[in-house]
Amino acid sequence: KAGVTQTPRYLIKTRGQQVTLSCSPISGHRSVSWYQQTPGQGLQFLFEYFSETQRNKGNFPGRFSGRQFSNSRSEMNVSTLELGDSALYLCASSLIPGLGQETQYFGPGTRLLVL
Amino acid sequence: GENVEQHPSTLSVQEGDSAVIKCTYSDSASNYFPWYKQELGKGPQLIIDIRSNVGEKKDQRIAVTLNKTAKHFSLHITETQPEDSAVYFCAASKGGSYIPTFGRGTSLIVHP
Repeated sequence: KAGVTQTPRYLIKTRGQQVTLSCSPISGHRSVSWYQQTPGQGLQFLFEYFSETQRNKGNFPGRFSGRQFSNSRSEMNVSTLELGDSALYLCASSLIPGLGQETQYFGPGTRLLVL
Repeated sequence: GENVEQHPSTLSVQEGDSAVIKCTYSDSASNYFPWYKQELGKGPQLIIDIRSNVGEKKDQRIAVTLNKTAKHFSLHITETQPEDSAVYFCAASKGGSYIPTFGRGTSLIVHP
């Protein structure tokens, strides 16, 4: 079974631009979570989607948004990019949260560099 | 909310030695504890996990122990090899719709 895939793998943008990142979960997984990883802050939770609904949200500004489609694929968008948004953005999928199916499996990440 | 502390932040060992990474959690309702290994340029990969109804779990050279009373759990790697060099993350989860809380990570360096 294919793992979590993320596109693109690398991205360079300039301040003020916007960016959209894509995540395809493992087949059959219905929950998708997004994390921002930086050397100084570790893994920070952005948001989680289940059945096209945002169920959980981390402490990030409104410039960060996301959505999930009916096939469980998810996208996240960052508008008005700032230098501090440079990070590795990780997507993780899980089968069905709860009932012992909450293990998250991570994709390889999208490395975003904002200049 | 849940708080997970992970120690040490850096661990340097010689090949063949054992390595131990410790995590503590604050929410007694947490019942699922996964460990992830992240190699350079890759996403975190699940290496072992444990649930609150189990005290210890082993998988070849890797083992995890859980002390619910003290609210801490540990990762043990025996006979370390250079390919074990990576950043290791612990996490604690209450299951259901709750998102796991991650530790800050431990950079393990195994010297050949």
